[in-house]
Amino acid sequence: QVQLQQSGPGLVKPSQTLSLTCAISGDSVSSNIVAWNWIRQSPSRGLEWLGRTYYRSKWNNDYAESVKGRITINPDTSKNQFSLQLTSVTPEDTAFYYCARTDDDRGGSFHYWGQGTLLTVSP
Amino acid sequence: DIVMTQSPDSLAVSLGERATINCKSSQSVLHSSKNKNYLAWYQQKPGQPPKLLIYWASTRESGVPDRFSGSGSGTDFTLTISSLRAEDVAVYYCQQYYNTPRTFGQGTKLEIK
Repeated sequence: QVQLQQSGPGLVKPSQTLSLTCAISGDSVSSNIVAWNWIRQSPSRGLEWLGRTYYRSKWNNDYAESVKGRITINPDTSKNQFSLQLTSVTPEDTAFYYCARTDDDRGGSFHYWGQGTLLTVSP
Repeated sequence: DIVMTQSPDSLAVSLGERATINCKSSQSVLHSSKNKNYLAWYQQKPGQPPKLLIYWASTRESGVPDRFSGSGSGTDFTLTISSLRAEDVAVYYCQQYYNTPRTFGQGTKLEIK
């Protein structure tokens, strides 16, 4: 059974960098049939896919245009986890953040989710 | 980006009755060569992440009760709950994975009448 455990601060000041980690159990971050995603949810923006990292002979990333230039998603093979960094945060980045896995059998549907982290951007 | 639009925004249905939620995509999510619709449905209850119910538009995820079914093709899709139970009260979302960015509908809130 795959489990995703999120960690990271719940409060970040404006202009600072948001950093969240998603620890994986029951699967490998280096699997070549899955992708590891970050999604956020807020009342104003709904569910918003932020980006993904995945391994297919080499590491690949895709990012949403709405956060491109501010976002980095990195795998950590030594700890079997992946991370989200979002720079220059503003109050509009306040949201629940989720990590999630997709697999080739289910296409790009999100089968496994982390528990969620409420991130508040406030002075 | 593919825009996903759900209707209605909210829905009240009596216990044991049928609930129908619609989802329309701004462009087709049917991959013609694979003959698959790249469309999923989720259920979200308060304080929880979304739960995958349906993928490939009509394939039920393991463990999902068979009262949940998905149908449709191209740009128009439907999630049907054949006989509503109290535990089905939730917000339901559709999502396309035809291309990136992955996009979701705005959600439909399902309540008991």
